Amino acid sequence: EAQVTQNPRYLITVTGKKLTVTCSQNMNHEYMSWYRQDPGLGLRQIYYSMNVEVTDKGDVPEGYKVSRKEKRNFPLILESPSPNQTSLYFCASSPYPGQSIYGYTFGSGTRLTVV
Amino acid sequence: QKEVEQNSGPLSVPEGAIASLNCTYSDRGSQSFFWYRQYSGKSPELIMSIYSNGDKEDGRFTAQLNKASQYVSLLIRDSQPSDSATYLCAVSGSARQLTFGSGTQLTVLP
Repeated sequence: EAQVTQNPRYLITVTGKKLTVTCSQNMNHEYMSWYRQDPGLGLRQIYYSMNVEVTDKGDVPEGYKVSRKEKRNFPLILESPSPNQTSLYFCASSPYPGQSIYGYTFGSGTRLTVV
Repeated sequence: QKEVEQNSGPLSVPEGAIASLNCTYSDRGSQSFFWYRQYSGKSPELIMSIYSNGDKEDGRFTAQLNKASQYVSLLIRDSQPSDSATYLCAVSGSARQLTFGSGTQLTVLP
């Protein structure tokens, strides 16, 4: 089944403890992206990747890191999480970014709470 | 001004009625437009895409695009309680990234 897999689904952590949220897609998509979703603010892009070893900042990159060493994987790293990073996170992928007939396929989401 | 704006709702319609969801965007270079449905606690699901001015119909859903007015809408005919969800408008602008609106929460009353 074609899908984007995120792990974990739920995570509660303490301020300052480094964490990684994994994202993997099995559709050979070029493009991958991370979003956070907060009430009233919609989906905001954190980072995106056009291809292996090519990453760029989205609208809210502060406090996050990403890497794209393999086409299928795009982990999101929080080096020193803070309570304002408590949010619902989504990974998404697409055969091609932006202007195409394809929308994005989203993962199931990771609900992160930083205390 | 937000790049993609949606009527914030919440919007309530009776079962069987037409639900109308609206979206405006600021980037005149935008060429691809999408509607996603998101159930509470779930991930967004693509339900419609539109690229040319006019209407595009898919079952009970109709997307309408007017590039001159920078306006895109989604009509849901014969609304069902299972249509109750948040609907996200997404626009692919000149930067080739999808920008999402904040969503409109729709409730279909039995």
